[in-house]
Amino acid sequence: EAGVTQFPSHSVIEKGQTVTLRCDPISGHDNLYWYRRVMGKEIKFLLHFVKESKQDESGMPNNRFLAERTGGTYSTLKVQPAELEDSGVYFCASSQDSGGPRYGYTFGSGTRLTVV
Amino acid sequence: AQSVTQLGSHVSVSEGALVLLRCNYSSSVPPYLFWYVQYPNQGLQLLLKYTSAATLVKGINDFEAEFKKSETSFHLTKPSAHMSDAAEYFCAVSDRGSSNTGKLIFGQGTTLQVKP
Repeated sequence: EAGVTQFPSHSVIEKGQTVTLRCDPISGHDNLYWYRRVMGKEIKFLLHFVKESKQDESGMPNNRFLAERTGGTYSTLKVQPAELEDSGVYFCASSQDSGGPRYGYTFGSGTRLTVV
Repeated sequence: AQSVTQLGSHVSVSEGALVLLRCNYSSSVPPYLFWYVQYPNQGLQLLLKYTSAATLVKGINDFEAEFKKSETSFHLTKPSAHMSDAAEYFCAVSDRGSSNTGKLIFGQGTTLQVKP
């Protein structure tokens, strides 16, 4: 079974540019989560999809961040325009059950975003 | 609101020595508790989880953790460290309430160094 795939694995962009991160969850997993770890800080929840619907987007930092999950399959996270403080590692996770981590959801390897 | 505190951002042990990584949590309702590990250039991997069964939880690679409600702690231990245990470890909590969407709240992470 393929795991959660994220790409790119690394991205370096200039301040003001746009970047799109992609996450492919495990096939059949309705629940998809985005998290972010800013340098030196804890990993923080960004949002949760159930199929194509946003269940909880309380962690999205501001309106420069746009997440989509068309058709309830893969998800994209767009940052436009990127700011220096957006640098960090963006993780995606998926689970079959809405209880998520009770059943141990699966994380991707993350995308390391550097804004210069 | 839930929170997690990991005591010590860096822990160094000798190979063969006891590993103890500390985690304290704050939660208004009985939580689910987790330990994740991240090896270099990899995603987060679940080590073990507490979901209200036995308070002493055994995980992969001989790690275990004990849920102590009176101390609001969930410390991670391993009797004998191996070089391969060098990684970053994250304690996390999830709400088991009716509004649970599976969101995880993470601690700041502890980097474990194992010296030969």
